[in-house]
Amino acid sequence: GENVGLHLPTLSVQEGDNSIINCAYSNSASDYFIWYKQESGKGPQFIIDIRSNMDKRQGQRVTVLLNKTVKHLSLQIAATQPGDSAVYFCAETGGTSYGKLTFGQGTILTVHP
Amino acid sequence: KAGVTQTPRYLIKTRGQQVTLSCSPISGHRSVSWYQQTPGQGLQFLFEYFSETQRNKGNFPGRFSGRQFSNSRSEMNVSTLELGDSALYLCASSRGGSDTQYFGPGTRLTVL
Repeated sequence: GENVGLHLPTLSVQEGDNSIINCAYSNSASDYFIWYKQESGKGPQFIIDIRSNMDKRQGQRVTVLLNKTVKHLSLQIAATQPGDSAVYFCAETGGTSYGKLTFGQGTILTVHP
Repeated sequence: KAGVTQTPRYLIKTRGQQVTLSCSPISGHRSVSWYQQTPGQGLQFLFEYFSETQRNKGNFPGRFSGRQFSNSRSEMNVSTLELGDSALYLCASSRGGSDTQYFGPGTRLTVL
């Protein structure tokens, strides 16, 4: 895969468990954060986003938490399914550079039936 | 609404050649950003175009260039290819500003 060389963090869970994927971001000026899911052979797929004026946002089975004090982002997936197996990336942007996303290294999520 | 499309999906070139990749954004999107994805470096930003103007540029050598047309379609060009340019090249489109970027499937470039 595209990310093997980086020795990505891995998370292995059983189907039906809840998953939590963490991300530390670097730029204090960033004010918009996105989680993407990338399956093998595909481009990143948008999951959920959050802006800096919020600390929590919920979607369908997913929740994103933002802690600006420690520059930390997390993605929670409820009732994880085998189809959730993929690499998950957080991305940050903001200020005058909204067209530029800075990505985290990614986390490999494996869901066992 | 059709998603972001990229052509070609796969490409094999030899060192020293040049290559042009194409990206068609989602209808109505005026911003196109390009990224390089490799096992060693992950996802790295190349450049962004909005209304035919380059607005942001990443830390890549001048061999990497791009352009955007009046219909928002974008191309990127890599000249004098090196082995290290082998990568998945992704483009993403958005309406601009702080709007969400949506990615295409990528073009996998192999340099021999």
